[in-house]
Amino acid sequence: GESVGLHLPTLSVQEGDNSIINCAYSNSASDYFIWYKQESGKGPQFIIDIRSNMDKRQGQRVTVLLNKTVKHLSLQIAATQPGDSAVYFCAEVRANSKLTFGKGITLSVRP
Amino acid sequence: DTEVTQTPKHLVMGMTNKKSLKCEQHMGHRAMYWYKQKAKKPPELMFVYSYEKLSINESVPSRFSPECPNSSLLNLHLHALQPEDSALYLCASKRGPENGYTFGSGTRLTVV
Repeated sequence: GESVGLHLPTLSVQEGDNSIINCAYSNSASDYFIWYKQESGKGPQFIIDIRSNMDKRQGQRVTVLLNKTVKHLSLQIAATQPGDSAVYFCAEVRANSKLTFGKGITLSVRP
Repeated sequence: DTEVTQTPKHLVMGMTNKKSLKCEQHMGHRAMYWYKQKAKKPPELMFVYSYEKLSINESVPSRFSPECPNSSLLNLHLHALQPEDSALYLCASKRGPENGYTFGSGTRLTVV
């Protein structure tokens, strides 16, 4: 798999490979973090979230890792499929329920 | 019903027009949100309603006027918009502090 930070706009992976999308956050007071997937013409779709007191959480084919020491969040997608092609956003939630999105990265899956 | 429904899906309006965007959810969620998303950018928060009361206004210009008539409905009234206001307007809702956000598919607004 390939790993790229959110300052790079695109990530291209081969179908079947693992994808790793990284995100840096700045606010240590955030309560939890969410990864969203947005397909063209649609609203953001929830993928997985993680509370600030956790280090790792797994879902179906996805894993989110949180490193509070360096304020870093990553999304791992196992066995990437063409249907995973989309823009991915990390987002953080603060105490007042304010949801703030990161810059986003486009994941492109090569057949 | 597990959806947030936004209407219309597309809207073209002139700078002197008045129009409204509508958002509806029947999940019993008590917090509702308006976001604005420009092309290739992340959604940006505009307004938050909690228990039908405006709790956050992110310094949005007054040409955007939100309204929450009841716990299931959220409107965004538009008046005297500028071409730079053209964007995808997203609505979201949330049951409570420990729950996730559900987004609608948005209204694609074009101001001419």
